[in-house]
Amino acid sequence: EPEVTQTPSHQVTQMGQEVILRCVPISNHLYFYWYRQILGQKVEFLVSFYNNEISEKSEIFDDQFSVERPDGSNFTLKIRSTKLEDSAMYFCAPRRASSKNIQYFGAGTRLSVL
Amino acid sequence: AQTVTQSQPEMSVQEAETVTLSCTYDTSESNYYLFWYKQPPSRQMILVIRQEAYKQQNATENRFSVNFQKAAKSFSLKISDSQLGDTAMYFCALYMNRDDKIIFGKGTRLHILP
Repeated sequence: EPEVTQTPSHQVTQMGQEVILRCVPISNHLYFYWYRQILGQKVEFLVSFYNNEISEKSEIFDDQFSVERPDGSNFTLKIRSTKLEDSAMYFCAPRRASSKNIQYFGAGTRLSVL
Repeated sequence: AQTVTQSQPEMSVQEAETVTLSCTYDTSESNYYLFWYKQPPSRQMILVIRQEAYKQQNATENRFSVNFQKAAKSFSLKISDSQLGDTAMYFCALYMNRDDKIIFGKGTRLHILP
């Protein structure tokens, strides 16, 4: 059984629009990670989040991106003004505090920017 | 910089055969973990097997096993008695405690032929 649910499974949006991708952990996770996979390419780290703060972010994670945990449960990734090159699969991967290295990937959200 | 290299972009084997996927990595850290993830056409990332760098014994999960050669920085995945459901992209990945993020290789597309 998956540790995390991601919604929506597929998001289609127009260039310049804002999108919010959601991640709902099932278990008690304290650490959250977002990864991105452009079609046909490898999975890339975007950002890690712990205790309501960004722990680390990659160079991909520019000012257009933001993350938050608004209600203490859901974890969201927002892209403020989408670009064509943002089209990708976005994976949320939470981790329990007791598990130092195991990140449980969600099924992903496919983002299509037109 | 830490890197993960998968030199086989694509492989095909007959059902029930054994197949080995190659992976090499580079890190200066001594404390790290290695993973193999499976990504079927649904594009979900599924953890297949993991190996702690400090353990000499190779990890095994049913039909999946690894050959971990720490000195050579090699981490190959062996799939025994391959099944049609094993058809997927397989990603080798490296996690270091210091960075707290996963670095992926470019993947190997594996086709199991009936």
